[in-house]
Amino acid sequence: AQSVAQPEDQVNVAEGNPLTVKCTYSVSGNPYLFWYVQYPNRGLQFLLKYITGDNLVKGSYGFEAEFNKSQTSFHLKKPSALVSDSALYFCAVRSDRGSTLGRLYFGRGTQLTVWP
Amino acid sequence: NAGVMQNPRHLVRRRGQEARLRCSPMKGHSHVYWYRQLPEEGLKFMVYLQKENIIDESGMPKERFSAEFPKEGPSILRIQQVVRGDSAAYFCASSPSASGFYNEQFFGPGTRLTVL
Repeated sequence: AQSVAQPEDQVNVAEGNPLTVKCTYSVSGNPYLFWYVQYPNRGLQFLLKYITGDNLVKGSYGFEAEFNKSQTSFHLKKPSALVSDSALYFCAVRSDRGSTLGRLYFGRGTQLTVWP
Repeated sequence: NAGVMQNPRHLVRRRGQEARLRCSPMKGHSHVYWYRQLPEEGLKFMVYLQKENIIDESGMPKERFSAEFPKEGPSILRIQQVVRGDSAAYFCASSPSASGFYNEQFFGPGTRLTVL
């Protein structure tokens, strides 16, 4: 079965410091990994995805994520955090096998707070 | 190009009433997904539809819930005889017609259902 774990409910970081939001996954077959961000009372906005190729993926708003197959991780990173990055971040995985091809499996989310 | 549209944004129903949620996918998208987000939880897959076809409904409760995506018009998620446990945010997502596992899903703003 497919699953995603985001081990930290909250991450707090000072503005200008680097940030990391962690994600590990379990999937049968090849993983297709995604990060989304959700602002209060809004839908999810796509940030970036890993499909294949380079393990370091660059996305929107200066975010990047590193795929690590041996550790089954896909951590979200940003070199210098902004107060406006404060939001709820979701990691999601999709498999290329089985009867659940269409669905995304989401983690519980990590609330990122960036202090000025 | 308009994004995924959902209406209503907020819906209040009394126990036993019916809730009808609508989703118009992005232009050129013929794959629609419904997810439910309960408080303090991530998104849970409910159903995956293509035009006039239900592809995967394994995440949707077998009783009281139904979904459709007709040839013309929006996708509809219908909840009959609502109960308080149905209170949640319901998100619709869509992906391009030539959909592969690598395509991200684009999310609407959600419908927040409150059952009194």
